[in-house]
Parts: sequence; structure tokens; C-alpha cells
Amino acid sequence: GAGVSQSPSNKVTEKGKDVELRCDPISGHTALYWYRQSLGQGLEFLIYFQGNSAPDKSGLPSDRFSAERTGGSVSTLTIQRTQQEDSAVYLCASSRDGTSGTSTDTQYFGPGTRLTVL
Amino acid sequence: AQKITQTQPGMFVQEKEAVTLDCTYDTSDPSYGLFWYKQPSSGEMIFLIYQGSYDQQNATEGRYSLNFQKARKSANLVISASQLGDSAMYFCAMREVTYGQNFVFGPGTRLSVLP
Repeated sequence: GAGVSQSPSNKVTEKGKDVELRCDPISGHTALYWYRQSLGQGLEFLIYFQGNSAPDKSGLPSDRFSAERTGGSVSTLTIQRTQQEDSAVYLCASSRDGTSGTSTDTQYFGPGTRLTVL
Repeated sequence: AQKITQTQPGMFVQEKEAVTLDCTYDTSDPSYGLFWYKQPSSGEMIFLIYQGSYDQQNATEGRYSLNFQKARKSANLVISASQLGDSAMYFCAMREVTYGQNFVFGPGTRLSVLP
């Protein structure tokens, strides 16, 4: 498909375990974003990648959270030593450009990964 | 400080009628973009419409239009001829071009379309 894909769609883990969430952006999109959405809440920004620039990690809630983007394409969000409060839907989005100030900044979202920490 | 305000946590509209969802924003950046997204119960975030701060005309996309009042810093979404499938959460978002590169999302408005 041509859209943003995320895997897994659902992840159930035990408290204290590490998890990896994957995002495949739309081909050719230079900007990639990770968000977290708790049940019934809005979107919480986590991290932003733009091309080869250093990522904006200002939204990561703790040092248990990290993300990387390999080859300017696929991104992995890693949560170490998961806690119950990490339970949420993790959304990934990409945009053709993240710096133009035009409609090419429009983010297109993946279906999300629902993380449940028991 | 809250940069995006959506004052209506929930709205109801009768099928086939028009509805306006409010969004006000706060920025001192002269260049910015405004976006609306729809999130149905399935959870996907669907892009609806974009308005640039320098755009002279209000954006329209099918049944969606954006009532952009720059001086008031408002960017209300108007949905005409509501359909049952329009029932969803709606999020307003802004991206400042000069001062920041991150999107800021509002808290959302839950729209329920009544048959």
C-alpha cells in the first residue's frame, strides 16, 4: 500500500519488558513523527525526524523512550522497562516535507500500535 | 501556554444539517499552517483540510470548508450536509514555520451526527 504502515497493530507486554514499535512512512516523505494517544485523549508529541538532521526528542517523556530512523525511512520506537502508564496507542505520521510551511507539511498517519502493559 | 483551543468537547448535529467546529490558535509567527483531522472510532487519523496563513481564500475540500479569520486567530471547520459517517473526533492542528517545526494539536471535539 501507499500509506504509512505500523507494526504490530497490537502489543501486550508485561511490566518491565522492552518493546519495539515499527513505522514505515510513505515513500519519499522526509519527515516522520511519533505521537502517543491515551484513551479518550489528544495527541502527545514524542519525537520528530527531518531528513538527516538531528531528531527533535523534546517530547520523549523519559529516558526509557528512544527512537531511531534508519536510512531516512523506517523508524523504530523503543520503550525500555515498560510501565503501566505507557499503555496507549502509538501513532506514527509522515509528511513530504516538514519545513516548507505549505500543504506539503501535511502529516499522514498510520493505523497505530495499541500497547497494553500488564 | 495552550496554542490550540477547541472549546467544544462535544457537539451534536442532525443529519443533513451543517455544523461548525471551533478552533482558535495562538502564535506570533507570521507564517504557519492550520490543519484539521478526523479520527473515527476505528482510531485512524484522517487529514481533512489545510489552510496556510498567507492564503487569501478559505480552504475547501468537498463538504469541508475552513472559516479562516486571521485577525481573530480562528480556523473553524464547517461540515455541510452532515452524514452519519461524520461522527468522530475532530482535531485542529497548527505548525509554525519560523519558530518551530512541530505540530501542535488541540484537545479535539467529539461530533455526533443524529439520524
